Amino acid sequence: ETGVTQSPTHLIKTRGQQVTLRCSSQSGHNTVSWYQQALGQGPQFIFQYYREEENGRGNFPPRFSGLQFPNYSSELNVNALELDDSALYLCASSIDRGGNEKLFFGSGTQLSVL
Amino acid sequence: QKEVEQDPGPLSVPEGAIVSLNCTYSNSAFQYFMWYRQYSRKGPELLMYTYSSGNKEDGRFTAQVDKSSKYISLFIRDSQPSDSATYLCAMTSYNQGGKLIFGQGTELSVKP
Repeated sequence: ETGVTQSPTHLIKTRGQQVTLRCSSQSGHNTVSWYQQALGQGPQFIFQYYREEENGRGNFPPRFSGLQFPNYSSELNVNALELDDSALYLCASSIDRGGNEKLFFGSGTQLSVL
Repeated sequence: QKEVEQDPGPLSVPEGAIVSLNCTYSNSAFQYFMWYRQYSRKGPELLMYTYSSGNKEDGRFTAQVDKSSKYISLFIRDSQPSDSATYLCAMTSYNQGGKLIFGQGTELSVKP
């Protein structure tokens, strides 16, 4: 059984650019959630995808968008990057979307915006 | 005021000590409580998962939830240097679409 995998592990972008982060969910999991973790802070919920549709969104602007594919893998896209977008971006998968499922996290993508 | 408050530490203890980590919260709707361990440059790893009030034990780890006080705890017995990490509490209520509310995390260092 493979765990949650994310790519790339590190990324450096400049302000105003666009970035795409990728996530493969754990085997048997159909739901993917994305979180942003700033240095020294706990993760903050961005959104969740279930069966290719957004199933909940946190307090993030529309320039944060996502996709989920039929194989349950997912992408996080961020447009018009700002310096404050520098953070660890975490993907988590779960076996369903009910809200009480356990979330299993990948190792994250460290994004630096210069 | 944050929904979930957690002392960021750092907390330093000698090997073999009992460690107590705590979080308080303000939202009485929270029903599911979790503790995650995060090593440097890694994603959070689920340690304990509890529903509603009560205690849960798993090896050297014990999680306690007191919903009346809106207070949760994680105890680590016989702490080891390998326990050195950041510990994050997280919580949610039913049908929140995967939205966990995390504490800031407590950085723990266990000295040999």
